[in-house]
Amino acid sequence: DGGITQSPKYLFRKEGQNVTLSCEQNLNHDAMYWYRQDPGQGLRLIYYSQIVNDFQKGDIAEGYSVSREKKESFPLTVTSAQKNPTAFYLCASSSSGTDTQYFGPGTRLTVL
Amino acid sequence: GESVGLHLPTLSVQEGDNSIINCAYSNSASDYFIWYKQESGKGPQFIIDIRSNMDKRQGQRVTVLLNKTVKHLSLQIAATQPGDSAVYFCAENTGRRALTFGSGTRLQVQP
Repeated sequence: DGGITQSPKYLFRKEGQNVTLSCEQNLNHDAMYWYRQDPGQGLRLIYYSQIVNDFQKGDIAEGYSVSREKKESFPLTVTSAQKNPTAFYLCASSSSGTDTQYFGPGTRLTVL
Repeated sequence: GESVGLHLPTLSVQEGDNSIINCAYSNSASDYFIWYKQESGKGPQFIIDIRSNMDKRQGQRVTVLLNKTVKHLSLQIAATQPGDSAVYFCAENTGRRALTFGSGTRLQVQP
């Protein structure tokens, strides 16, 4: 069963803690992306990776970090430096940087 | 500047009617456009795409129209159903890195 999976679906974090969101794809896609979505808003790009062991900052990278050690995995860490981390986080992948992106089900992060 | 935007934040239609969702873009270098549907609490779902060398593309109950002269994109949904209720996003790709998304239009289908 091919697709993109994100875990967990819901995540609660105390202020000052780092938390890592998982994103896995078995579509054999080279490119992967992380977006943030706030209520009633569009998607804003956090980080993206066009190939393994390489990634670039998006529009709102401050307070976030990523790694791309494997083609199928692109975890996102929300650090304590992110001032307003409560949001819906979406991971996507595409065969290349210019092709259609397919999205995972999302992780809703709430900071208590 | 480069931007993708939508004219109507909320569109309410009767079941069975046709729906038209509009999107304006400002980057004339954009060569690929996508429409996504997002239901509450879920990730965006691909609906249909179109490249800049086309004016129209049809799918199952959906049609995307591209007018490059006025930088306008539209999504037409035929015989709108309650299951079509969602937020619809247009996105553009200029070939630089990743998609740029509009803010979305909420489609409400009245039974």
